[in-house]
Amino acid sequence: IAGITQAPTSQILAAGRRMTLRCTQDMRHNAMYWYRQDLGLGLRLIHYSNTAGTTGKGEVPDGYSVSRANTDDFPLTLASAVPSQTSVYFCASSDSLMHEQFFGPGTRLTVL
Amino acid sequence: AQSVTQLDSQVPVFEEAPVELRCNYSSSVSVYLFWYVQYPNQGLQLLLKYLSGSTLVKSINGFEAEFNKSQTSFHLRKPSVHISDTAEYFCAVSDDVTVFRRALTFGSGTRLQVQP
Repeated sequence: IAGITQAPTSQILAAGRRMTLRCTQDMRHNAMYWYRQDLGLGLRLIHYSNTAGTTGKGEVPDGYSVSRANTDDFPLTLASAVPSQTSVYFCASSDSLMHEQFFGPGTRLTVL
Repeated sequence: AQSVTQLDSQVPVFEEAPVELRCNYSSSVSVYLFWYVQYPNQGLQLLLKYLSGSTLVKSINGFEAEFNKSQTSFHLRKPSVHISDTAEYFCAVSDDVTVFRRALTFGSGTRLQVQP
């Protein structure tokens, strides 16, 4: 069982470019989340999805978009990357009956 | 809105010494509380959680945390640390009511550095 996979592991991106971070889970969890981790700030919620077909904005959604076409996949898109989006991005999932979240290994993104 | 405060950004400690990592939260509704651990260059792993019932919760590797509602705290303790406990520890809170229902609000993290 893989749990949650994220791709790519790391990426260096020129400012203004479009980038999609991929997240796939094989646990059939209905809720999925995207967080960004920045030094001294912990993890902050970008977007979430309580079930396939629905999404919602988190604490820091500006500059990001998500889609949830099916249960397993929850891609995060940066339409036009800016240096302030340099961060480590974590995808997570949980079941509606659970309170704990399972995290992927993260994507380290550098925007120059 | 919820918030989580981890009072110490770094905690250096010698091996086999006790340690306490402090966590306070703010919320107007009943909460669920978590401690996650992040080893270098890895994702987050759940260490322990408080959902309801006994206010003292324990992990399989010797950590424990106690939910104190009156002090809105969920401090993490271990009586004797090992080198392998060196990691970043995050306190987090969620609830069933807010807009980001079940999403986690994290503290800024505490880096535990265990020295030989």
